[in-house]
Amino acid sequence: DAGITQSPRHKVTETGTPVTLRCHQTENHRYMYWYRQDPGHGLRLIHYSYGVKDTDKGEVSDGYSVSRSKTEDFLLTLESATSSQTSVYFCAISGNGGRSSYNEQFFGPGTRLTVL
Amino acid sequence: KQEVTQIPAALSVPEGENLVLNCSFTDSAIYNLQWFRQDPGKGLTSLLLIQSSQREQTSGRLNASLDKSSGRSTLYIAASQPGDSATYLCAVGKTSGSRLTFGEGTQLTVNP
Repeated sequence: DAGITQSPRHKVTETGTPVTLRCHQTENHRYMYWYRQDPGHGLRLIHYSYGVKDTDKGEVSDGYSVSRSKTEDFLLTLESATSSQTSVYFCAISGNGGRSSYNEQFFGPGTRLTVL
Repeated sequence: KQEVTQIPAALSVPEGENLVLNCSFTDSAIYNLQWFRQDPGKGLTSLLLIQSSQREQTSGRLNASLDKSSGRSTLYIAASQPGDSATYLCAVGKTSGSRLTFGEGTQLTVNP
């Protein structure tokens, strides 16, 4: 267990509403990532963070924003949810030299989001 | 752009068989390669991480090899068990701390 949790685990929302997903880690990892998983596309990176207040875009960042105000929390916000953002969202962490390999990524349990 | 391919997409074997899952990638300039398993409705569990300077890693009945120059990795599972049934994903990273590029996985079923 890499000490990573996601909330909520399931969410149903309506088109046009803002949604925020939270990723929380307890082991002081430097890097945090948000991926989405869709049939036929596999896992794709949305945004990632390489430190507090340091974030960058991934390959499918349109319509999403992130924030990391402290080491342990990485928030993903859908500014105005659309049906195409229905997906399973995974948070991942890496970059703790005191635990296994520095570059090994560990994943959270996922959030299943449905946008109606 | 890096592309990762896993063949076959699905595999069904009888219990006890030794098996090999394949992963190929188009850009050999990788920093590391990681194998995961994913059970239905669950997150990804890390199995093995191979740094680009390594040729293989072992954990219990699992052995992963890496041939960076040819853009290939294999995951060897010895004496397969029904509990090994899951989807196996490989992913490559370009630099330290960078995103991973994933294949779409091999869905493995081990029949009792």
